[in-house]
Amino acid sequence: QQQVKQSPQSLIVQKGGISIINCAYENTAFDYFPWYQQFPGKGPALLIAIRPDVSEKKEGRFTISFNKSAKQFSLHIMDSQPGDSATYFCAARGSGGSYIPTFGRGTSLIVHP
Amino acid sequence: NAGVTQTPKFQVLKTGQSMTLQCAQDMNHEYMSWYRQDPGMGLRLIHYSVGAGITDQGEVPNGYNVSRSTTEDFPLRLLSAAPSQTSVYFCASRGQEQFFGPGTRLTVL
Repeated sequence: QQQVKQSPQSLIVQKGGISIINCAYENTAFDYFPWYQQFPGKGPALLIAIRPDVSEKKEGRFTISFNKSAKQFSLHIMDSQPGDSATYFCAARGSGGSYIPTFGRGTSLIVHP
Repeated sequence: NAGVTQTPKFQVLKTGQSMTLQCAQDMNHEYMSWYRQDPGMGLRLIHYSVGAGITDQGEVPNGYNVSRSTTEDFPLRLLSAAPSQTSVYFCASRGQEQFFGPGTRLTVL
């Protein structure tokens, strides 16, 4: 049972283009939605996160869009750069100190120069 | 402040051997966890701990054992390694946010 579904599995974008990664969740108790970025040979690192009380959060070229009624959220990378080439994971978890985050299966992004 | 550290970085085992993957954090986080990462499967939770002396199973616990005697350390033990345990293993600790270690790449022959 996959509680967080992520698509696409891989994505190729030209430099300067927009990269879009989508995630859908099932558990309505989730109330925190982070995105992680992982470079080859490294551990995942928090990129940006959102709570469902807002529909959008932007940090530089990275934006999370959140649709609570559809139980969907997405990561948009504007003006994609070759340095953005990495694997991106969405995740979801509920409140509380020990609530376990659930991860999507990841999207491998390649940005061509 | 080193964050989350893992040792070793690489390991090759023969089927049936046992070993311990080490994980330590210096952020005084109560919550720690172990994940394995396989191509196309994302990050799958093996075991987690909500504090010293408290551990629980995740999604894929079979073949692995953990203990949490201190807040800082959370070792993962492979009892009898199998080729299916070839993977990259990540330790993580969580306060407000979750921090991952650099990973251990394990190959079981």
